Amino acid sequence: DAGVIQSPRHEVTEMGQEVTLRCKPISGHNSLFWYRQTMMRGLELLIYFNNNVPIDDSGMPEDRFSAKMPNASFSTLKIQPSEPRDSAVYFCASSLGGQGNSPLHFGNGTRLTVT
Amino acid sequence: GQQLNQSPQSMFIQEGEDVSMNCTSSSIFNTWLWYKQEPGEGPVLLIALYKAGELTSNGRLTAQFGITRKDSFLNISASIPSDVGIYFCAGQLTTDSWGKLQFGAGTQVVVTP
Repeated sequence: DAGVIQSPRHEVTEMGQEVTLRCKPISGHNSLFWYRQTMMRGLELLIYFNNNVPIDDSGMPEDRFSAKMPNASFSTLKIQPSEPRDSAVYFCASSLGGQGNSPLHFGNGTRLTVT
Repeated sequence: GQQLNQSPQSMFIQEGEDVSMNCTSSSIFNTWLWYKQEPGEGPVLLIALYKAGELTSNGRLTAQFGITRKDSFLNISASIPSDVGIYFCAGQLTTDSWGKLQFGAGTQVVVTP
């Protein structure tokens, strides 16, 4: 089975540009999570969806960040405008949410560099 | 930020040695998970623990869910070079049923031949 698929793998952009990260969760999983990983702060949950509905976006840093899940097989995380401090690895993960104990399965991440 | 204390931060060991790392929390969890992350990849689930006191093995890996529900450890026996990576513990809060996890800061393991 294919795992969680993220694109692009690497993104280099200039400050002020819009960045869109994409994720395809594991088929059949109904919960999707966006995490950010940095050396300083480790893995931080940004937002998660259940059945395509955002459940908790309290981890989203500020209004420059937005996430959508238009259907069960696709989600985007958008940063507009991007800033150098947004540089990090962004992971998408999915699980069988609502099932009680359901471990997360992560994609391979998008490494974002904002210059 | 993280609410779990994971130690040690890093370990440099020789091939064949055993490795032990642990996580403690001030919160009670109903699930403990251990993940491994290799360079350029996302964390991969190694072991999931669902009951206090549970001891689970996966090959050379053994993990336990502490009786107090506030700690967990992971042991790797007879380490080999491919055990290199960062190991993360993660705890799921009792009242959270949607898979939302708290992650430790990670233990970096380096294995020398």
